[in-house]
Amino acid sequence: QLVVTQSPSASASLGASVKLTCTLSSGHNSHAVAWHQQQPQKGPRFLMLLNSDGSHIKGDGIPDRFSGSSSGAERYLTISSLQSDDEADYYCQTWGTAIVVFGGGTTLTVL
Amino acid sequence: QVQLVESGGGVVQPGRSLRLSCAASGFSFSSYTMHWVRQAPGRGLEWVALISFDGDIKYYADSVRGRFTISRDNSRNTLSLQLNGLRPEDTAMFYCTRGLRGATVSDYWGQGTLVTVSS
Repeated sequence: QLVVTQSPSASASLGASVKLTCTLSSGHNSHAVAWHQQQPQKGPRFLMLLNSDGSHIKGDGIPDRFSGSSSGAERYLTISSLQSDDEADYYCQTWGTAIVVFGGGTTLTVL
Repeated sequence: QVQLVESGGGVVQPGRSLRLSCAASGFSFSSYTMHWVRQAPGRGLEWVALISFDGDIKYYADSVRGRFTISRDNSRNTLSLQLNGLRPEDTAMFYCTRGLRGATVSDYWGQGTLVTVSS
C-alpha cells in the first residue's frame, strides 16, 4: 500500500535553513514526489517534482532557495535563507496505479 | 498564464447533490490530465479524482467512488465534478488542479470552492 509520511511540524530561525522530509512506504523507493506549499488562508502552490535520483523540476517562479534531494525512500525539501512568508504547510504528493496520495503535511514555523 | 477558476460550491443538506465546475484558461486544456483535490476545514489535502486529457480514463479515491463523477468538456475548457449522496464529512474546500505532464501530480491549483454539507 502506497503511503506517504511527513512529520507534523518543523521550525527554524529566520535566515537559517530547514530540511523537510517525506517518507515513502516500503517498496516504493523509486517513486517521484511533488512538493506543494500552502500559506495560511491560501490555496496550495506547486514547488517542484522531485525524482528518486534527486533531480527536480521546479514550478514557475519558485526561487533558488527551494531545493530537493532524495535518499532511498526519503524525499527532502530544503529551504534556505528562511523568510517569514515561508511559514506555511508543506505537502508531498505521489502516485501509484489508479491512485494519488498526499502526505499529511508539515507545518513549518519560522522563529 | 494558467488560470483555474472553480465555482458551484455552497451549503447543501446531507443526501443531496451538487455540481462543481472549473473554468480553465491560459493553456491547452485538452492536452492535460486534470484532478480534483479537497481539504476539510483544518485538515490536510486529499486527492479526490482525476480524468485523462481525453476523458477516457477516470480514477477516484475510495472515499468518493460511486458517489462522485468527474467529467470534462474540452470544447468549453471546463472540468466538472458531480457530487451525489453528500455526507457531512464531504464538507471541504474543493480545488481543481492541472496535472503535470509526465507525472500524475498537480502543477497548478485553482483558488477553490467551498462545499458545506449540513442540515
